Amino acid sequence: EIVLTQSPATLSLSPGERATLSCRASQSVGSYLAWYQQKPGQAPRLLIYDASNRATGIPARFSGSGSGTDFTLTISSLEPEDFAVYYCQQRSNWPPAYTFGQGTKLEIK
Amino acid sequence: EVQLVESGGGLVQPGGSLRLSCAASGFTFSSYAMSWVRQAPRKGLEWVSGMSGSGGSTDYADSVKGRFTISRDNSKNTLYLQMNSLRGEDTAVYYCAKKYSSSSPAFDYWGQGTLVTVTS
Repeated sequence: EIVLTQSPATLSLSPGERATLSCRASQSVGSYLAWYQQKPGQAPRLLIYDASNRATGIPARFSGSGSGTDFTLTISSLEPEDFAVYYCQQRSNWPPAYTFGQGTKLEIK
Repeated sequence: EVQLVESGGGLVQPGGSLRLSCAASGFTFSSYAMSWVRQAPRKGLEWVSGMSGSGGSTDYADSVKGRFTISRDNSKNTLYLQMNSLRGEDTAVYYCAKKYSSSSPAFDYWGQGTLVTVTS
């Protein structure tokens, strides 16, 4: 089973700053990695699919990069609405399953 | 507009059963794989089960294998999750989610979730 490890667990930044979130896979997942944003009481929202493609309606300040085992979600200049929990996610072929990272909480400093 | 609306959650005793439904609209339901993802209180996301668009292929997390059954009725644009032998650790908000494409693992649309509470 592929394990996704996100770091840091909590990131404290101010609006306008740049945020860099990391997701490391225990084995290669190619480019098949997604990122989600979740706010309290809401369902997750897809931000990035296939490592670097922004989902429909996602602002350009969100970008994804990486391949293999190391991935990064970057928010170029934080807006107040960006403070939330972020998850990475992948699918393994064997055993067939989807896994999520444990999440990074992005909080206002 | 894509919409996914879950229903069927509630309070159930350990060992009991519950069936969740997810009504889909705004896309060709039979063309897309669907999954159930859950989130225990104050915890992260856990994938539970998935099914192909045709219904011919199903997968389950080890934590629910043998207890939960996923199914779909493409004529009714509805996804189901039959949950038997429920345990306290199954307490969570259950989301249904639409797969973005056949190749990508991403889920591009999610329902609002339905809460399942397993307690005596």
